[in-house]
Amino acid sequence: DAKTTQPPSMDCAEGRAANLPCNHSTISGNEYVYWYRQIHSQGPQYIIHGLKNNETNEMASLIITEDRKSSTLILPHATLRDTAVYYCIGIKTSYDKVIFGPGTSLSVIP
Amino acid sequence: SQTIHQWPATLVQPVGSPLSLECTVEGTSNPNLYWYRQAAGRGLQLLFYSVGIGQISSEVPQNLSASRPQDRQFILSSKKLLLSDSGFYLCAWRRDGLGDFGPGTRLTVT
Repeated sequence: DAKTTQPPSMDCAEGRAANLPCNHSTISGNEYVYWYRQIHSQGPQYIIHGLKNNETNEMASLIITEDRKSSTLILPHATLRDTAVYYCIGIKTSYDKVIFGPGTSLSVIP
Repeated sequence: SQTIHQWPATLVQPVGSPLSLECTVEGTSNPNLYWYRQAAGRGLQLLFYSVGIGQISSEVPQNLSASRPQDRQFILSSKKLLLSDSGFYLCAWRRDGLGDFGPGTRLTVT
């Protein structure tokens, strides 16, 4: 699995877009970029994943650079309930073990 | 759809007592199964993962063991708990790009 690097913490104003960066310069060609989040005292929640193309779902958008060395998770209109620790993870196959780094602690501020 | 169960939800055990946490998955077959631990204020640490019945890989040396007696059952055990075993224990499954985490067990060793 590729090692990922994320800023330890970020703030975002409520209602604004939250842009969470992730560097994964060692990612291999068949390694997906996954994003999870963990709200306090709960288990991690899957958000989105992608390989090469940008992806969007009801929760977020994922922008992956053309060289695949970095990506950005975008929460288009952050709410207070989006306050959580966000994890960016590289996963090769369906059966890979999922190893979490320290992630980014996002605080959405009223 | 797939569902993952963990029990108990909370547990308070004295030092030196045994431990057994159980995890079961419904709605899928032959999943990868994982045990994670999160100590207070810390990140998620992968403890064990299993790719099939009776197949267990340990990620870190510790006071705990895991077993997979059935395809969709994963058990975390200890013969004698230590204070450092306190934490939030999460079970997870993955298969074919899908996966989820259980609700977790909060263990306090006193």
